[in-house]
Amino acid sequence: DAGITQSPRHKVTETGTPVTLRCHQTENHRYMYWYRQDPGHGLRLIHYSYGVKDTDKGEVSDGYSVSRSKTEDFLLTLESATSSQTSVYFCAISEGQGGGGNQPQHFGDGTRLSIL
Amino acid sequence: GESVGLHLPTLSVQEGDNSIINCAYSNSASDYFIWYKQESGKGPQFIIDIRSNMDKRQGQRVTVLLNKTVKHLSLQIAATQPGDSAVYFCADPLSSNTGKLIFGQGTTLQVKP
Repeated sequence: DAGITQSPRHKVTETGTPVTLRCHQTENHRYMYWYRQDPGHGLRLIHYSYGVKDTDKGEVSDGYSVSRSKTEDFLLTLESATSSQTSVYFCAISEGQGGGGNQPQHFGDGTRLSIL
Repeated sequence: GESVGLHLPTLSVQEGDNSIINCAYSNSASDYFIWYKQESGKGPQFIIDIRSNMDKRQGQRVTVLLNKTVKHLSLQIAATQPGDSAVYFCADPLSSNTGKLIFGQGTTLQVKP
């Protein structure tokens, strides 16, 4: 299994509170990604990173921010959580040498986030 | 926008039979595809990938076929086992420079004993 650890694995919080999810990798891969998975929508990209301090938006980035201060850590922050952000969040990594598209992404086991 | 879709949301097969899961894509420029397996409560697990310069690629009990003419790919699982029960996704990188993936909705494979 790829060395990816997501924390926390489960979290319940209230609307309006800030939430930070952490993804930690031990593979020294350049690319890291955050997805959310919802019934009827499959996996959707929120943000991704192509290096330390280099990030870009994905398909559903509104309401989310990310930071990557070290190669091994990629943080996803919900500044003010809303009920629509209740979901399962997955982190993924890829080597991406010469272009991330031709290397498979490997996923963590997810964080189940409930916002009441 | 571009899309990737699986033909059937659910596939039920008898243990020991072969399974075929199909996927269609819309981006004619797509040159790399990945199949993932997702078990309940876990993240997607990489199964096999294929590049557009290939029509077929084999792994352990799995074969992926790519038909670029009709923009279709399939995942074949030989001698399906109960442990193969999961949701299967095909994924298509949106851009080779970023690795952003477009995922299909997934096909749930149910293996009957």
